[in-house]
Amino acid sequence: NAGVMQNPRHLVRRRGQEARLRCSPMKGHSHVYWYRQLPEEGLKFMVYLQKENIIDESGMPKERFSAEFPKEGPSILRIQQVVRGDSAAYFCASSPYRSDRGPLREKLFFGSGTQLSVL
Amino acid sequence: QKEVEQDPGPLSVPEGAIVSLNCTYSNSAFQYFMWYRQYSRKGPELLMYTYSSGNKEDGRFTAQVDKSSKYISLFIRDSQPSDSATYLCAMSTNDYKLSFGAGTTVTVRA
Repeated sequence: NAGVMQNPRHLVRRRGQEARLRCSPMKGHSHVYWYRQLPEEGLKFMVYLQKENIIDESGMPKERFSAEFPKEGPSILRIQQVVRGDSAAYFCASSPYRSDRGPLREKLFFGSGTQLSVL
Repeated sequence: QKEVEQDPGPLSVPEGAIVSLNCTYSNSAFQYFMWYRQYSRKGPELLMYTYSSGNKEDGRFTAQVDKSSKYISLFIRDSQPSDSATYLCAMSTNDYKLSFGAGTTVTVRA
């Protein structure tokens, strides 16, 4: 049973380029969450998505950042015109969902992350 | 003031010792409390999950939550070198957003 798969593991971009981070949730999971981890700081919530639907993007910067989770394929976190301050580890997590309880937060599974470095 | 405070350590203990980790928080609405373990260059892995106040034990791990003091703890008994990792506390209100501490780095010396 494959876990949450993220790629690439490492991504190097120059300032002004675009970064695309991909996340495939665990099999059977329909909810995806993106978190960002800056050095010396805890993980910060960015966005919560279902298939074809953004549930909550309140943690996303208003400019340059976007996320999607299409009907087919992985979830994508896209950062346009990257700046040095975007350098961080980006983690994706997924969880199953129950209609009577909602997302099962105690069953949140994280991927190994994408380390983004902006030169 | 950060919403979740966690001493970054580092913490170094001999094999077999008890590891004691803790976090404090400011949001009294938090009801769900978790501890994650994160090995270098890996994603966090859920260790313990507690709802509201009280204790929970799972093997060598014990989690405690004191909502009146806004304080949570994780104890690791009979620590092993394989327990060397960064431990993250996390908590949430009745929704899906987790608020994480910055993590405590633990080294268990053989």
